Amino acid sequence: AQKITQTQPGMFVQEKEAVTLDCTYDTSDPSYGLFWYKQPSSGEMIFLIYQGSYDQQNATEGRYSLNFQKARKSANLVISASQLGDSAMYFCAMRGENRDDKIIFGKGTRLHILP
Amino acid sequence: DVKVTQSSRYLVKRTGEKVFLECVQDMDHENMFWYRQDPGLGLRLIYFSYDVKMKEKGDIPEGYSVSREKKERFSLILESASTNQTSMYLCASSTGALGGVPLHFGNGTRLTVT
Repeated sequence: AQKITQTQPGMFVQEKEAVTLDCTYDTSDPSYGLFWYKQPSSGEMIFLIYQGSYDQQNATEGRYSLNFQKARKSANLVISASQLGDSAMYFCAMRGENRDDKIIFGKGTRLHILP
Repeated sequence: DVKVTQSSRYLVKRTGEKVFLECVQDMDHENMFWYRQDPGLGLRLIYFSYDVKMKEKGDIPEGYSVSREKKERFSLILESASTNQTSMYLCASSTGALGGVPLHFGNGTRLTVT
């Protein structure tokens, strides 16, 4: 069965520092995709970044990058130069390779950026 | 821009009532999903559908059913609401393509069962 684990319920980080949010996963599918979403206090879910299991390079989107270590089954989100607006809940998610595969989420990490 | 609309932002129902949560998307997406979000538990998948009239159980389908009669609409039904179904319910949709296709979420329905 597929599983996503986020071991950090909460984190406090000083503004302008880099942040790493941990995500490990478990799947038997040879091909899969990993996602990160941000949920600010307003409640909306914002898609941040995607990594395919066969992608050779780590995904990057602006200040977000994904540290993908396939052998260790980890897909950590790295936020560079954190800003106050980065304070939010962050979710790691995974989907399988088939059209009818479900998309599952981890329990999330609440990130607090301190001024 | 993709719009996923959930019919109610807040809903209060009594124990035992039949509850309908409606979700409509306007981008002709094949896939639609219902999640519930609870503090400390993240998002848990209730049901999803990858085609009209198709439905698949997620991780926590007990006490829920769904209906997808039209491509744009995916309804979540609580046959007999119970207090442990008090939660935030999130609907999402995506295209049927694989790869880095993200989910598009609605704004959520906060359901309270008293």
